[in-house]
Formats: sequence, C-alpha cells, structure tokens
Amino acid sequence: KNEVEQSPQNLTAQEGEFITINCSYSVGISALHWLQQHPGGGIVSLFMLSSGKKKHGRLIATINIQEKHSSLHITASHPRDSAVYICAVTNTGNQFYFGTGTSLTVIP
Amino acid sequence: DAGVTQSPTHLIKTRGQHVTLRCSPISGHKSVSWYQQVLGQGPQFIFQYYEKEERGRGNFPDRFSARQFPNYSSELNVNALLLGDSALYLCASSLRGADYEQYFGPGTRLTVT
Repeated sequence: KNEVEQSPQNLTAQEGEFITINCSYSVGISALHWLQQHPGGGIVSLFMLSSGKKKHGRLIATINIQEKHSSLHITASHPRDSAVYICAVTNTGNQFYFGTGTSLTVIP
Repeated sequence: DAGVTQSPTHLIKTRGQHVTLRCSPISGHKSVSWYQQVLGQGPQFIFQYYEKEERGRGNFPDRFSARQFPNYSSELNVNALLLGDSALYLCASSLRGADYEQYFGPGTRLTVT
C-alpha cells in the first residue's frame, strides 16, 4: 500500500467546472505539498501546507491533519489547468512520499 | 533570479557505466533534494541534503550516491547503470529543507541502453 493515495487518477472536466482532487496519507507528516506537472516534465509547487487552508487565485488547498486528508480545489477550471497534479508529503525523518498523480484534462 | 538548473538535459549511457548529474539551487537556498521519475509514474525520493549533510534518504540501492558542495550545488552519482535506471531525474531546492516550498529544476532525462 502506498503511503500517499490520490483520487481520482484521471479527471476530465468542462471549462468552468469546479474540480476537486483528493489526497490521503498514512504516515505522520511535517508538511504536505501539492505539485503541478505539465507534459515535458516540469514540476511547479502550488502549495505547501501543514494545517488549515491556503488560496492562490483559483486554487484552494485544504488539509485535515486528524483525518490525514487533503484536497486541492480548482474553481472556474480552464484548459490551461490541464496537467498532472501530484500530492506529496514529508515526514519527520525528512523523507518525501509521492502520490501517483491525478491527470486533469479541461475541455473548452 | 535564476531558477534551479540541472545539467545535462539529456544523456544516453550504456549498462554498467557510471553517470554524474548536476544541480544548482536557487541563490540563497541551502537544501537540495533528488528524485527519480520513471515514465508514467510519480516521482520517487532519492536524497535530501541541507548544509552539505545528508538529511534524508529514500529506498534506493547503494549504487546511488550524492553530495552537496560548499556553494550548495549538488551532484547525484549512479554506478553500474541498469536499464531500469532510465528515468527523468529531478532536483529541487528549498531554503532549509523538506518543510519548505520546493522549487524544481527541469530535470535530466537519462536513457540507459
């Protein structure tokens, strides 16, 4: 069993839809990261969370430490949001664990 | 400011050879981490260095080693290459380590034939 599980694995949405990607983890963490990877490999950090909620533009990330769960929300989705979204956690031993990613396609 | 840089961009090696990959962090960042991403999979953590010391290690064989230099740049070395080592190798830097925002480089695409 992976330490980090994401759902769904694949997601297709119409432009303008509200999107939610979920991440559950089984290890004790010091931080949770949401990453975006476009075709070609480049990875961009979207959020780093240790508690609560963060918002950048149309993106919102939440974390529930007690339930070991985080969600990434995209409001008013756009075709340029099409990418793979990866959840990763760091434990107190400075190790990173990655989810397998959610492939998002937003159709105009 | 320049972002994280990695070199080379691509390289092709033969089984059994050795390879050295290089990473330069963002100016002011003192931590570098290395990851392996096999095609179609999520990244796997290899090493994390902070202030020139290894602070975290993933589940990789001893053929993989790394070091961080006084200028905070880093090298990843892989000995006795196997076909399964073919992957995108990513480097990320941060201010102080795993609990800080990670800034990723473009990666080095390694093909082992």
